[in-house]
Amino acid sequence: SQQGEEDPQALSIQEGENATMNCSYKTSINNLQWYRQNSGRGLVHLILIRSNEREKHSGRLRVTLDTSKKSSSLLITASRAADTASYFCATASIYNFNKFYFGSGTKLNVKP
Amino acid sequence: KAGVTQTPRYLIKTRGQQVTLSCSPISGHRSVSWYQQTPGQGLQFLFEYFSETQRNKGNFPGRFSGRQFSNSRSEMNVSTLELGDSALYLCASSLGAGEIKGGYTFGSGTRLTVV
Repeated sequence: SQQGEEDPQALSIQEGENATMNCSYKTSINNLQWYRQNSGRGLVHLILIRSNEREKHSGRLRVTLDTSKKSSSLLITASRAADTASYFCATASIYNFNKFYFGSGTKLNVKP
Repeated sequence: KAGVTQTPRYLIKTRGQQVTLSCSPISGHRSVSWYQQTPGQGLQFLFEYFSETQRNKGNFPGRFSGRQFSNSRSEMNVSTLELGDSALYLCASSLGAGEIKGGYTFGSGTRLTVV
């Protein structure tokens, strides 16, 4: 299975601290994406990083990708209570980039 | 522009019944994908439709089916409902032509409860 696995499963931090979540996957990918989900609602796309990219930034988000280790990390800097949500990585295979595999997610709790 | 619209938001059905869920993608998006989300299995890919054709399929039994209309709206149907079909069903749309550049746009989901 290509499914990604996030680590840790749950993370609790204080407002203002940084949060780091990791994602590992199994097969060669075309791209990897991170999504956020608030309380069982729909997922919101955060950032996409292609297999030939190593790092990408978007506001307070920083994503890295290491294709040799088949892993990615999502860093949220200066976290806010509003960042409390579940975060998922999703991978698209080099053979089929219209079918995404989602990881199990990291549940982030940011305490005010 | 309007987002991805899923109807209904909530649904309660009895075992053995069948159900139809609807998804209207973002205008101009031709690809619609469906996912099932449960606490135990996470997000599982059901199928993807592009230009009225099923382009990709996940590992679900034949009780799960779908279709896409010429206006890109999609429906998924689950027949002979089982308790284990209780889940949040999410629809996601994308342009669908070639590589996805901006990721999926998800709807808010339909929460199905089978009793």
